[in-house]
Amino acid sequence: KQEVTQIPAALSVPEGENLVLNCSFTDSAIYNLQWFRQDPGKGLTSLLLIQSSQREQTSGRLNASLDKSSGRSTLYIAASQPGDSATYLCAVPSYGNNRLAFGKGNQVVVIP
Amino acid sequence: DAGITQSPRHKVTETGTPVTLRCHQTENHRYMYWYRQDPGHGLRLIHYSYGVKDTDKGEVSDGYSVSRSKTEDFLLTLESATSSQTSVYFCAISAKPSGQETQYFGPGTRLLVL
Repeated sequence: KQEVTQIPAALSVPEGENLVLNCSFTDSAIYNLQWFRQDPGKGLTSLLLIQSSQREQTSGRLNASLDKSSGRSTLYIAASQPGDSATYLCAVPSYGNNRLAFGKGNQVVVIP
Repeated sequence: DAGITQSPRHKVTETGTPVTLRCHQTENHRYMYWYRQDPGHGLRLIHYSYGVKDTDKGEVSDGYSVSRSKTEDFLLTLESATSSQTSVYFCAISAKPSGQETQYFGPGTRLLVL
């Protein structure tokens, strides 16, 4: 069974600092890894999807890296803004790739 | 935004009553999923569908059933609601299996079982 862990569970940073969010997974035989954002009371929004053949993926201020062999991914958010305050979840396919296994999320607060 | 709606958005019900939640999509995607989200447990898969009338269980399927008679609709039924089923329920869709493509999520349904 695929287990996904996200550390830290919660963090607060002052505006302008870079954010580093970590995700680890137990089964390295994955096709991809995804990062989602969830705002309070809302559904999840896909941020980045990294294929197993890629080492990183970038979208604006967001950069996600993937190290399959060590079972780790890191999401970097450059120059954080108050609007980045949200919960960030990572997910990997499991059970024959028809499902996603989610971490419990990194809850981020960016202080103006 | 992906065309996914969930109804109702909020519901309060009593223990022992049946409850049906509806997920409707306008994207004609093959795969549909029902999750529940609870503090301390994160997002957990209840059931999913890989086509009309094709469904499978997730990790927390006890006490839940699903039906998919049309591509656009995926129904989740709590056969006899219990307080432990108080949760936020999310529907998601994807055109391909999770190993190939991202999932798109609906806005959620908040269910309170008294």
